Amino acid sequence: AQKITQTQPGMFVQEKEAVTLDCTYDTSDQSYGLFWYKQPSSGEMIFLIYQGSYDEQNATEGRYSLNFQKARKSANLVISASQLGDSAMYFCAMREGGKTSYDKVIFGPGTSLSVIP
Amino acid sequence: NAGVTQTPKFQVLKTGQSMTLQCAQDMNHEYMSWYRQDPGMGLRLIHYSVGAGITDQGEVPNGYNVSRSTTEDFPLRLLSAAPSQTSVYFCASSYTAQGNGYTFGSGTRLTVV
Repeated sequence: AQKITQTQPGMFVQEKEAVTLDCTYDTSDQSYGLFWYKQPSSGEMIFLIYQGSYDEQNATEGRYSLNFQKARKSANLVISASQLGDSAMYFCAMREGGKTSYDKVIFGPGTSLSVIP
Repeated sequence: NAGVTQTPKFQVLKTGQSMTLQCAQDMNHEYMSWYRQDPGMGLRLIHYSVGAGITDQGEVPNGYNVSRSTTEDFPLRLLSAAPSQTSVYFCASSYTAQGNGYTFGSGTRLTVV
């Protein structure tokens, strides 16, 4: 069963506007972590932000913030003041511990963001 | 500071051939993983390791073997290449503790004909 869902295959945003990329997840673990990564057209993978399941405050890193709603199992990425360089694929990922294995990190299918001048 | 180094960057294999994708990191990271990326499917975990001598299967392990004899190296072996293994392969590493994001290699684009 898919554990990370990103329902927006493609998104458009006007430059300087804010945009929210959706991510929902499924886990039975109490301790887990949520990540967002960016993949520009060059193909490299760039770590953006992390949220722990026990963190009481939403994570922020510069223009990136993570809207964490634990009861709804959602971890949306908010990018404020979009820039042309934000055009990329964005992946949500989760790190969870398995009952019989070490913790692993799995990724969602990604959302393609295009910033319009 | 090299980070995560993957070799080769490109490879073409014939069906049935075997090969090893190399991955090395110089950051003393305990945690290393291999992913494959296919269009529309994100990154799928093949195998991962939490330290030297310890490996485990991910979501799509069939057709691949790994070993971790040192902290630095985590090679991925394709036993008998199939066209379905045509993909971009990423190696990634991090410290084990929660909260540490991955450092990714630049990827290996593999085509099996």
